[in-house]
Amino acid sequence: SQQGEEDPQALSIQEGENATMNCSYKTSINNLQWYRQNSGRGLVHLILIRSNEREKHSGRLRVTLDTSKKSSSLLITASRAADTASYFCATGSLRAASKLTFGTGTRLQVTL
Amino acid sequence: EPEVTQTPSHQVTQMGQEVILRCVPISNHLYFYWYRQILGQKVEFLVSFYNNEISEKSEIFDDQFSVERPDGSNFTLKIRSTKLEDSAMYFCASSIDTGTDTQYFGPGTRLTVL
Repeated sequence: SQQGEEDPQALSIQEGENATMNCSYKTSINNLQWYRQNSGRGLVHLILIRSNEREKHSGRLRVTLDTSKKSSSLLITASRAADTASYFCATGSLRAASKLTFGTGTRLQVTL
Repeated sequence: EPEVTQTPSHQVTQMGQEVILRCVPISNHLYFYWYRQILGQKVEFLVSFYNNEISEKSEIFDDQFSVERPDGSNFTLKIRSTKLEDSAMYFCASSIDTGTDTQYFGPGTRLTVL
């Protein structure tokens, strides 16, 4: 797999349910960031987790990082229709920290 | 809340023409970036810029591309002679610090090369 691969590629849930998206990467990282993108729009930063952190919360978002498995997960609790978007993880490597490498994204659809 | 802004939102140009995409980073940020996203594909890093110099660049960022901070607020990406394959959404981003800090993205400029 490539650096920053999310799974699933698409996820459809009902409002109120939780959504979990996973990201795997290959190289050693400095940090990992999650972004949201509404169709055809810009990237909205959600949360940054550093390589020495294991878990981080922001509102309804919970991010975990397992550097031994080179993976991260994003959990959105109590989802809303407005959460419908594509979600990307992006890693900043130790060698090239300023260069974010994006994953392929998970397309989340939240239905009423 | 401060935001990164980009102009224009959509640029249409003929193949071979020069284009300049403009960005105004967040005012107290020191590091600036350009990324692009070809329709349906991943967001790809182009270049990072700090202290009036390129810090890192990708293989995509060849001699056709250049960046400049012409004044204290603008950050530009120039494509000298556009090709069809340059059609993409171009995102500018900025951060206070590099490597350990959040990169905030602008809304993007959609470039269409005909």
